[in-house]
Amino acid sequence: KNEVEQSPQNLTAQEGEFITINCSYSVGISALHWLQQHPGGGIVSLFMLSSGKKKHGRLIATINIQEKHSSLHITASHPRDSAVYICAVPQRFNSGGSNYKLTFGKGTLLTVNP
Amino acid sequence: EAQVTQNPRYLITVTGKKLTVTCSQNMNHEYMSWYRQDPGLGLRQIYYSMNVEVTDKGDVPEGYKVSRKEKRNFPLILESPSPNQTSLYFCASSLSGRGEQFFGPGTRLTVL
Repeated sequence: KNEVEQSPQNLTAQEGEFITINCSYSVGISALHWLQQHPGGGIVSLFMLSSGKKKHGRLIATINIQEKHSSLHITASHPRDSAVYICAVPQRFNSGGSNYKLTFGKGTLLTVNP
Repeated sequence: EAQVTQNPRYLITVTGKKLTVTCSQNMNHEYMSWYRQDPGLGLRQIYYSMNVEVTDKGDVPEGYKVSRKEKRNFPLILESPSPNQTSLYFCASSLSGRGEQFFGPGTRLTVL
C-alpha cells in the first residue's frame, strides 16, 4: 500500500472551473509538500505546510493533520495550470534521528481546456 | 539567481558505458538528493546526502553511486548502465531533508 495516495489520478476541467486535488498519507508527518511539474518540464515547489491553509494567487493548499489529509485547490482554472501536481511527505529515516526523506504520491495529471 | 543545475539534460548511451550526471546548487544547502521518475511509479529517491562526505542510500540505489566532496556538487555515477536505468533523473537540494525542495531541470537518460 502506498504511504501517500493522491486522487484523482487524472482530471480534466474547463477553463474557469474550481479544481480540487486530494492527498492522503498514512505516516506521521511534520509537513507536507505540493509540487508542480509541467509537461516536459522541471519540478517546482508550490507549498510546504504543516497546518491550516496557505494561499498563493489562485492556488490554495489545506492540511488536516488529524485526518492525515491535504487538498490543493485551484480557483478560476486556466489552461496554463495544466500540469502534474505531486504531493510529498517527509519521513524520518530512522527512529529518533533527524534525517528525513520525501515520499511522493504518484501525481495528478490536470488538463484544463480552453 | 538561486538554482540547481544538472548536466547533461539529455543523454543516449549504450549498456556498460560509464557515465556521470553532474548536479550543482548555489544556495549553500546541506541536503541534496537524486531521484528518478518513471511512468506509473512517480518519483523515487536514489541517494541522498546530508552534508559533505555524508551520503546514504534511498529507495532504489542499485546500480548507482554518488559522492559529495564539496557542498555544492553531488554527481550521480552509473558505473555500468543498463536499459532498466532509462529514466528521467532529478537532482534536488534543500536546507533540510524535510524542507522546501529545489529541483534541477532534469536529465533524460536512455540506455540502449
